[in-house]
Amino acid sequence: DAGVTQSPTHLIKTRGQHVTLRCSPISGHKSVSWYQQVLGQGPQFIFQYYEKEERGRGNFPDRFSARQFPNYSSELNVNALLLGDSALYLCASSLRSRDRGNSWSTEAFFGQGTRLTVV
Amino acid sequence: QKEVEQNSGPLSVPEGAIASLNCTYSDRGSQSFFWYRQYSGKSPELIMFIYSNGDKEDGRFTAQLNKASQYVSLLIRDSQPSDSATYLCAVNPPNAGNMLTFGGGTRLMVKP
Repeated sequence: DAGVTQSPTHLIKTRGQHVTLRCSPISGHKSVSWYQQVLGQGPQFIFQYYEKEERGRGNFPDRFSARQFPNYSSELNVNALLLGDSALYLCASSLRSRDRGNSWSTEAFFGQGTRLTVV
Repeated sequence: QKEVEQNSGPLSVPEGAIASLNCTYSDRGSQSFFWYRQYSGKSPELIMFIYSNGDKEDGRFTAQLNKASQYVSLLIRDSQPSDSATYLCAVNPPNAGNMLTFGGGTRLMVKP
């Protein structure tokens, strides 16, 4: 079975440009989350999508946006790139989203990431 | 105070020893806890998860959870040089869907 796939694996962009990153979750998984990992730090949550709806948003500016498609794949878009956006962007796939107030949870599996360099 | 804290290391242990990695979290209502291993230049790989107080063992790995002390640990028995990596502790806060809050990671070095 294919794991989480992300494209492209590496990308170099110039300040001010726009970028689109893509993610295909594990077959059967309906929840996709995006994380940004700056060198030397742990991943930071950007967005979560479940059943094509945004279910969570981290502390990132409006330049960051995302969407999920009917086949559960997802795109992360970043506008007006800054040097500080250089990072490893990770997509995580989960079987389902945890409902508010419920105790169950589910594990998240990461793709290989997209290394974005802004120059 | 950071939400999830880990000692950045490096933690150096000899081959065959037990490596003990620790993590504390601030949100007392958190229910789910995860350990990821990340090799340099690679993405995080899920190695353990624990939801209940106590110990959970999987092969050479044991996760320990103490919700009263807001403390999670990972023990790696019979450490191998291939275990050398950064270990990330992640916590799923309450009412946050599948969002994970990560610590900064602990770099483990296993010396032959």
